[in-house]
This record gives sequence, structure tokens and C-alpha cells, in this order.
Amino acid sequence: DGGITQSPKYLFRKEGQNVTLSCEQNLNHDAMYWYRQDPGQGLRLIYYSQIVNDFQKGDIAEGYSVSREKKESFPLTVTSAQKNPTAFYLCASSIELDFEYQETQYFGPGTRLLVL
Amino acid sequence: QKEVEQDPGPLSVPEGAIVSLNCTYSNSAFQYFMWYRQYSRKGPELLMYTYSSGNKEDGRFTAQVDKSSKYISLFIRDSQPSDSATYLCAMSSSYGQNFVFGPGTRLSVLP
Repeated sequence: DGGITQSPKYLFRKEGQNVTLSCEQNLNHDAMYWYRQDPGQGLRLIYYSQIVNDFQKGDIAEGYSVSREKKESFPLTVTSAQKNPTAFYLCASSIELDFEYQETQYFGPGTRLLVL
Repeated sequence: QKEVEQDPGPLSVPEGAIVSLNCTYSNSAFQYFMWYRQYSRKGPELLMYTYSSGNKEDGRFTAQVDKSSKYISLFIRDSQPSDSATYLCAMSSSYGQNFVFGPGTRLSVLP
């Protein structure tokens, strides 16, 4: 049963704490993405990775970090530098982008991060 | 001006109605267009994917793209209470470019 899993479903962060959100996919997709979703706003891209051991900043990368050591895994760390981390975080993946065809993205179920 | 605009709603319709959801955009380079459905506290799921202009139909859903007007639409026929969700449009320009999402329209289909 292929898909994208995210854990945990809910995560609580204390002041000054770093927290890591997990994203795993078994779709054999090359590209993976992290988005942040706030009420009334579209999804905003935090980081993306098109191949293992490589990733690029998105529109709102400050206060976040990622790694891509395995094709199926793309964890996101919300650092203490992110001053407003409360949001719904979505991980997505897509197959390797073909020169003539822009593949669409498939999303995980999301992680809701709350600040204590 | 935001790159992609979408009426946030909420839009309430009776069961069986035809629903029209729309997005406008400013970047004329966009040529890949998607509609996602997102239930409350869930990840978005892909509904429709179209390339360039024209119509695409899938069951009760029809996606239309009018590149000359920079306007895309999603029509839902015979709407059902299970269609109650937020609908996100997304678009991108070309290979290697990332997607830009609209803020979503919240739809409520009343039984």
C-alpha cells in the first residue's frame, strides 16, 4: 500500500526547543517537499529536495532545516529560530521531473505543530 | 497582487447543485494546473490535473483552463455532502519550477 506518512499527527513545542517532523514515502518518488499551511493562506514552500543528499530552500526556509539521507525520508526540523511555528505542516512527493512533463505532487496527512 | 487568487468562501450549496470554483492568476508562464481537495485536518488529495488550456472531465468533476484570461475553474456536478471540503488550486510554469497554491475555497454541501 503505497503512500506518504507523516508523524506525529500532533506535536507540541516548548520555547527554545527544536522539534523534528517525520516524512516517509514508499512511492519511489525522487522529489520531496515541505509546506506550511496557515489559515486563509495558500501552502508555502519551506524546503524541497529533488535527489538524495541535495535540497534547496523554498520561500520561507528561515528557522527550518532538512536532511535527505535516504530517498524515502525527508525530515523537517523546526528550530528555536522559527518564532511563529504554529501551523499545519504538509510533506509531499513527486516522481522525478521529466523535461517535458511536470509531475504533480502527492501529499501526506500532515502534522499539526502547536507551541506550549 | 498575489500570484494566485481564490475566493476563500465559505460557499454553501444544496445537495445536487452544480458548484463552480475558480482561481485567477497573474503569471502568464503557468501552464500546469491542478485542483486538490482537502478535508479538515487532512492532507490535500489530487482531484484534477491539466496542462495548458482546455477542459478535462473526470466523473462529476470538470476542470477548465482559460489561459487568455488567466482563469481556471473546477465544476462539480450533482454535488454531495461528502464534497464538503476546502478546494485548493495549484499551478506551475515549467520543468523544475515549484508549484504555487491558492489559499483555498471552503465548500459546504448541505443535505
